[in-house]
Amino acid sequence: KNQVEQSPQSLIILEGKNCTLQCNYTVSPFSNLRWYKQDTGRGPVSLTIMTFSENTKSNGRYTATLDADTKQSSLHITASQLSDSASYICVVPKNRDDKIIFGKGTRLHILP
Amino acid sequence: DAGVTQSPTHLIKTRGQQVTLRCSPKSGHDTVSWYQQALGQGPQFIFQYYEEEERQRGNFPDRFSGHQFPNYSSELNVNALLLGDSALYLCASSLVAGTDIQYFGAGTRLSVL
Repeated sequence: KNQVEQSPQSLIILEGKNCTLQCNYTVSPFSNLRWYKQDTGRGPVSLTIMTFSENTKSNGRYTATLDADTKQSSLHITASQLSDSASYICVVPKNRDDKIIFGKGTRLHILP
Repeated sequence: DAGVTQSPTHLIKTRGQQVTLRCSPKSGHDTVSWYQQALGQGPQFIFQYYEEEERQRGNFPDRFSGHQFPNYSSELNVNALLLGDSALYLCASSLVAGTDIQYFGAGTRLSVL
């Protein structure tokens, strides 16, 4: 069964600290993996997109990693800011049939 | 360059009513996908439109239908509304379905009373 599972479900950290969010997937065949940031009540906004051959991709303070062998990805946020408070969703399209599998997201709260 | 726009932003309906939500894709995009996102959950794929036809469909009943117009804009129609249809409805557009990055609209918040 094609699934995307994220952990933790929610996370609270202090401003300035680093954190890492996890995504495990069983989607096959694999096309790419995407991380989105979704502010409350808004549509998701793309952070990174990684193909099979990419291990690491950065977007400012956001760094995503991908291990295609273990089917795991992580999103590392460095020096967190209050504006990082949002849900972070891992998304894995299923190659060749256009279905896109969303994780349930990790709700991140940054405290001042 | 306008991104994905959705209307209305909020909507309140009662059980049994019908609703139409609208989406204009990002300029240059020809593929539109619709998602339902319940509170605290990830988006669930409803269907995708390309060249005015439904290409893919998720596990949603026939009460959910859609349309894509020649200008690539799209509508999502839901008939016989149920309380469980209350959710944020997201529209996403892309140029190449499945492999291209999707750009999401801000969504329409539907409340069914």
